Amino acid sequence: EAGVTQFPSHSVIEKGQTVTLRCDPISGHDNLYWYRRVMGKEIKFLLHFVKESKQDESGMPNNRFLAERTGGTYSTLKVQPAELEDSGVYFCASSHNRNTDTQYFGPGTRLTVL
Amino acid sequence: DQQVKQNSPSLSVQEGRISILNCDYTNSMFDYFLWYKKYPAEGPTFLISISSIKDKNEDGRFTVFLNKSAKHLSLHIVPSQPGDSAVYFCAASENDYKLSFGAGTTVTVRA
Repeated sequence: EAGVTQFPSHSVIEKGQTVTLRCDPISGHDNLYWYRRVMGKEIKFLLHFVKESKQDESGMPNNRFLAERTGGTYSTLKVQPAELEDSGVYFCASSHNRNTDTQYFGPGTRLTVL
Repeated sequence: DQQVKQNSPSLSVQEGRISILNCDYTNSMFDYFLWYKKYPAEGPTFLISISSIKDKNEDGRFTVFLNKSAKHLSLHIVPSQPGDSAVYFCAASENDYKLSFGAGTTVTVRA
């Protein structure tokens, strides 16, 4: 069974540009999460989807971030316009149910904003 | 407002000895605690968990201890092996899905 995949693995953009990150969860997982780790600090929750519905987006930093999950399969996280403080590693995770010990993480996308 | 803290950024231990990783939390509503392990260029992988109704959970070489009164948990790895060299994250949850993570502890197991 394929794990959670994320694309791209790395992205380097300039301040003010737009970047879109993609996450493909494990097939059949209704729950999808986005997290972010900024430069050696803690991993922070961004938002949670159940199928195509946003259940909790309390961790989204501001309105420059937009997450979608059309059709309840893959998800995208768009940052527009990107700022320097958006640099970090963005992780996606998925789970079949809501038990926290079954969240499977992808390898992350390292975003660098110059 | 960081609710989960791992105050030791790194730990070096000799192969075969015990590794002890510590974690403190501030939110008394947390009811589920987890440890994740992360290798470079990979995502975190679930290692072991404990519910707030317990004070110990063991899985092979890994044991997690929870002290609710002190708001403290620890992970013991015995014996430590070279493959255990990784970053270990402590995490906690109060509502069964949103994980609050610590900043991680990098463990290096020396041969």
